[in-house]
Amino acid sequence: AQSVAQPEDQVNVAEGNPLTVKCTYSVSGNPYLFWYVQYPNRGLQFLLKYITGDNLVKGSYGFEAEFNKSQTSFHLKKPSALVSDSALYFCAVRDMLGDMRFGAGTRLTVKP
Amino acid sequence: DTEVTQTPKHLVMGMTNKKSLKCEQHMGHRAMYWYKQKAKKPPELMFVYSYEKLSINESVPSRFSPECPNSSLLNLHLHALQPEDSALYLCASSQTGQAATNEKLFFGSGTQLSVL
Repeated sequence: AQSVAQPEDQVNVAEGNPLTVKCTYSVSGNPYLFWYVQYPNRGLQFLLKYITGDNLVKGSYGFEAEFNKSQTSFHLKKPSALVSDSALYFCAVRDMLGDMRFGAGTRLTVKP
Repeated sequence: DTEVTQTPKHLVMGMTNKKSLKCEQHMGHRAMYWYKQKAKKPPELMFVYSYEKLSINESVPSRFSPECPNSSLLNLHLHALQPEDSALYLCASSQTGQAATNEKLFFGSGTQLSVL
């Protein structure tokens, strides 16, 4: 079965520092991987998705994700964090039935 | 128009009430979804409609009844809910809902449901 795991419940970074939110995957066949962000009491917003052949994927709001096949990871990164990036981040995989399955989520807090 | 619109934004209901949640999109998407999300947890898939046909029911209790009147509208009818059903209910859509694609989901802002 297709699945993703987010090993960290919480990530804290200082504003201006680089941030990484981790995600590992377990898929058979081509990986259809995504990152979404959720602000309080709102729906999920799409950030980026993996495109076959591109190990570094660029997305919205300055975020990017690094795909590593040998480590089965798809970590979300940003070179310089903003306080407004504080939110709940979900890694997701589209399974063989076409359903989007989400990781447990990582709460990112960026402190001024 | 790249929005998925959900109404109402908030709903409080008793365990004997009947209510409906509504979702609408005008992006020409042919797949629509209902997710349930408890606080600080990931969304959990409830129902999927693809081309107006219910394709997946994730063994959701019968007190939740989905309806897809046309490709732009999705309803979730609620009856005799329990307090543990209190959650954020999210609607989403995607272009086709086909498997083995990197098709993304567009989410609405959700309906925050409280069952008393």
